[in-house]
Amino acid sequence: IAGITQAPTSQILAAGRRMTLRCTQDMRHNAMYWYRQDLGLGLRLIHYSNTAGTTGKGEVPDGYSVSRANTDDFPLTLASAVPSQTSVYFCASSDWGNRRRGDFTQHFGDGTRLSIL
Amino acid sequence: EDQVTQSPEALRLQEGESSSLNCSYTVSGLRGLFWYRQDPGKGPEFLFTLYSAGEEKEKERLKATLTKKESFLHITAPKPEDSATYLCAVTNFGNEKLTFGTGTRLTIIP
Repeated sequence: IAGITQAPTSQILAAGRRMTLRCTQDMRHNAMYWYRQDLGLGLRLIHYSNTAGTTGKGEVPDGYSVSRANTDDFPLTLASAVPSQTSVYFCASSDWGNRRRGDFTQHFGDGTRLSIL
Repeated sequence: EDQVTQSPEALRLQEGESSSLNCSYTVSGLRGLFWYRQDPGKGPEFLFTLYSAGEEKEKERLKATLTKKESFLHITAPKPEDSATYLCAVTNFGNEKLTFGTGTRLTIIP
């Protein structure tokens, strides 16, 4: 079944360590997104990419970086993890930019649960 | 700045007891309003997109409606498997970003 694969599914990490969350999609969508979900705050956009080779900042980008070397992969890196980055991270993709109506629906993976101690 | 407010935060219903979830929004030019369902430990699952006031969409026991200020997700004769958190989100014509509400946690009691 086509979709988004995120890895790892969960991780416990010591503060100060570097961590990369992986996201791969097989729908050939041009746009990809990273969100974090925290209780009471909902889903907040961290970074996004409209197409391979381009990235942009979302609502809460500090402490995170992304790259988009190809269409399918969109890794999220925490250069030096801090406890406030404890959260559930979701990757999503969409066919944004396609002028057909409805093609900008975002489809989500099942998330990475990250705890920073 | 786009804003989405969902109410109630949590709702408990008996099986078969119909109700509605509310999503109020402010957006600079609505491009689309989305409803998602999220089960514990899972990512949001797409349900509906609504584009303009007056539009309605249905799927099984769910019906979504849209006005210029809010959207409702009506649940008719719910079953326990409808228990989940329901998320509302909007996007505007300026960009592709989604602004989410904090969700309504729905519990259907057998």
